[in-house]
Amino acid sequence: DQQVKQNSPSLSVQEGRISILNCDYTNSMFDYFLWYKKYPAEGPTFLISISSIKDKNEDGRFTVFLNKSAKHLSLHIVPSQPGDSAVYFCAASRRDYGQNFVFGPGTRLSVLP
Amino acid sequence: DAGVIQSPRHEVTEMGQEVTLRCKPISGHNSLFWYRQTMMRGLELLIYFNNNVPIDDSGMPEDRFSAKMPNASFSTLKIQPSEPRDSAVYFCASTQGSGSYNEQFFGPGTRLTVL
Repeated sequence: DQQVKQNSPSLSVQEGRISILNCDYTNSMFDYFLWYKKYPAEGPTFLISISSIKDKNEDGRFTVFLNKSAKHLSLHIVPSQPGDSAVYFCAASRRDYGQNFVFGPGTRLSVLP
Repeated sequence: DAGVIQSPRHEVTEMGQEVTLRCKPISGHNSLFWYRQTMMRGLELLIYFNNNVPIDDSGMPEDRFSAKMPNASFSTLKIQPSEPRDSAVYFCASTQGSGSYNEQFFGPGTRLTVL
């Protein structure tokens, strides 16, 4: 049973518009969330994170929102650029889980010029 | 810094053969992780080490899989015997420290195909 879900396998957005990638989790004990980006033939790279004590974290064009009551987080990219085309993984962790990140299946974002 | 180094980048083998994947973590990092990525299950943690000691191997699929970390700069993931369902991309990652929230740095992966 997947604890971290990304229900949209793919998403296409026009350059300059907003991209919104969604992630849902089932375990209310998760207290830290991360987004990783992956280009083809490369390993995932860290993008942005958020602690459960916050509901928003922003870094340049990237903002992550956390809704704990809904067990939902989203990644907003504004404005979207063609170089943002990649697979985005949502991951969750918890303090008593050691260093075990639980990853979602990923969403492939295509930003069209 | 060279980042996490994995070898080989691609491996094609026949069912029943032994496969060994190799990883060199970032210098100074003391935690190392092995992940497997498949279409069906996404990125799964197989095992991780802290200071060369296996901490959690609950993700290792079965006894055919084994991992070692003989020193701080080298780890192997071995599959013996390999099966077609082991075909996947295997990633190694490392991080500094043992905190639950430390960013993990991933290698480029090894694409394994078992015929």
